[in-house]
Amino acid sequence: AAGVIQSPRHLIKEKRETATLKCYPIPRHDTVYWYQQGPGQDPQFLISFYEKMQSDKGSIPDRFSAQQFSDYHSELNMSSLELGDSALYFCASSLPQTVTQYFGPGTRLLVL
Amino acid sequence: GENVEQHPSTLSVQEGDSAVIKCTYSDSASNYFPWYKQELGKGPQLIIDIRSNVGEKKDQRIAVTLNKTAKHFSLHITETQPEDSAVYFCAASIGAGGTSYGKLTFGQGTILTVHP
Repeated sequence: AAGVIQSPRHLIKEKRETATLKCYPIPRHDTVYWYQQGPGQDPQFLISFYEKMQSDKGSIPDRFSAQQFSDYHSELNMSSLELGDSALYFCASSLPQTVTQYFGPGTRLLVL
Repeated sequence: GENVEQHPSTLSVQEGDSAVIKCTYSDSASNYFPWYKQELGKGPQLIIDIRSNVGEKKDQRIAVTLNKTAKHFSLHITETQPEDSAVYFCAASIGAGGTSYGKLTFGQGTILTVHP
């Protein structure tokens, strides 16, 4: 079965640089969620999109922005990277009008 | 906002034993409670979920119970196997997808180790 695709899987950046993470939801899924997971921590909700519109916002820094495109893929843009941004970033997707979220393999971001 | 507490933080059992992980939530509006298994370096994998109109759900060796009054839910794994070793997260959310709700609030996670 098709799964959520995330790219890149690993990313190394310097402080103050920018990064773009991409998420391709499961086919027919129209809702995308982004989560950040620090080492040894639980995933924290960042932002979600439904039908290309932002539907909810969590603890996402102002330095981060995201959008969902017409093909339902989503991108998380991160600017002025800080050491504390080093984490696993997960994307999850769900079918229309359902709550079940399926997670991708994640992007491991390391900021040096 | 919602707060989910999960216990224990680590759990060590012998192969064949049962394992129980418990979670409590704070927001009575929460109505969907999934459990995820996360292996090292991988994304969370949904293993079972329950909605607030159901008290118990079972899928082979895995079961989840929900007590809405007490605002707690539990994961039960029977006949544990070494491949069950992973980090398990409970979560809670409000509403259905496609609305302003649906975001998951996770518990702190339980590291389950099953010894052969």
